[in-house]
Amino acid sequence: RKEVEQDPGPFNVPEGATVAFNCTYSNSASQSFFWYRQDCRKEPKLLMSVYSSGNEDGRFTAQLNRASQYISLLIRDSKLSDSATYLCVVRGSGTYKYIFGTGTRLKVLA
Amino acid sequence: EPEVTQTPSHQVTQMGQEVILRCVPISNHLYFYWYRQILGQKVEFLVSFYNNEISEKSEIFDDQFSVERPDGSNFTLKIRSTKLEDSAMYFCASSPGETQYFGPGTRLLVL
Repeated sequence: RKEVEQDPGPFNVPEGATVAFNCTYSNSASQSFFWYRQDCRKEPKLLMSVYSSGNEDGRFTAQLNRASQYISLLIRDSKLSDSATYLCVVRGSGTYKYIFGTGTRLKVLA
Repeated sequence: EPEVTQTPSHQVTQMGQEVILRCVPISNHLYFYWYRQILGQKVEFLVSFYNNEISEKSEIFDDQFSVERPDGSNFTLKIRSTKLEDSAMYFCASSPGETQYFGPGTRLLVL
C-alpha cells in the first residue's frame, strides 16, 4: 500500500460546482496533515492544514478521519482559478519527513 | 510577505559534473528541506535539516548528495557527480515548525 494515496483525476467540473477529493495514508501514527495546491511547473503552495476537528477556510473545507486513515478536501462554488493539482501531504509522528501524494488534478470549466 | 528564494532557476549540466543549488529560507525559520520532483511525478522528500545538521534523509539522498548552511542564511544542496536521472525540479522549503513554505524551485537538466 502506498504511504499516501490520491486519485490522480482529472476531475473536470463546471464553474460553481462542489468537488471533493480524498486522500488515504498508511501510517496510523501520522501526526500532521496538509493540503497544498500546485500549478503547472510551479512550487507547492499551502492551501490549508488539516486539524482533527476539521477546518474551513472560505470555500475550502478539510476533514480528517483517523479511524479510516483518510483526509478530505471539499471545494464549494468552484472558480476557474481553482484549476490546479491538489497535493495531500502527511508527516509521521516523531519524524521530519513529509510524504506527498501524487496529487489530484482539478479542471474547472467555464 | 517573506518568501523562500532559490537560485538558479534553471541549470543545465553535463553528466558527471557537480552542481550546487542555492536556497535562502525565510529568516526566522528553523527547519529546512530539499525535495525533488521528476517531471510528471510526485514531490519526493530528500532531506531535512535542523540545528545545523541533517535530521532525516530519504533513500534517494545517497553519498552523491550533501547539504550545507554555510553562512546562516543560505542553504545549499550539492550533487557531486550528476546522473541523467537527477534531472528534475528541486524545491527548497523552510518552516518555523509544522507548515512548510516552498521556494520556486531550480529546474536541473543533466545531459
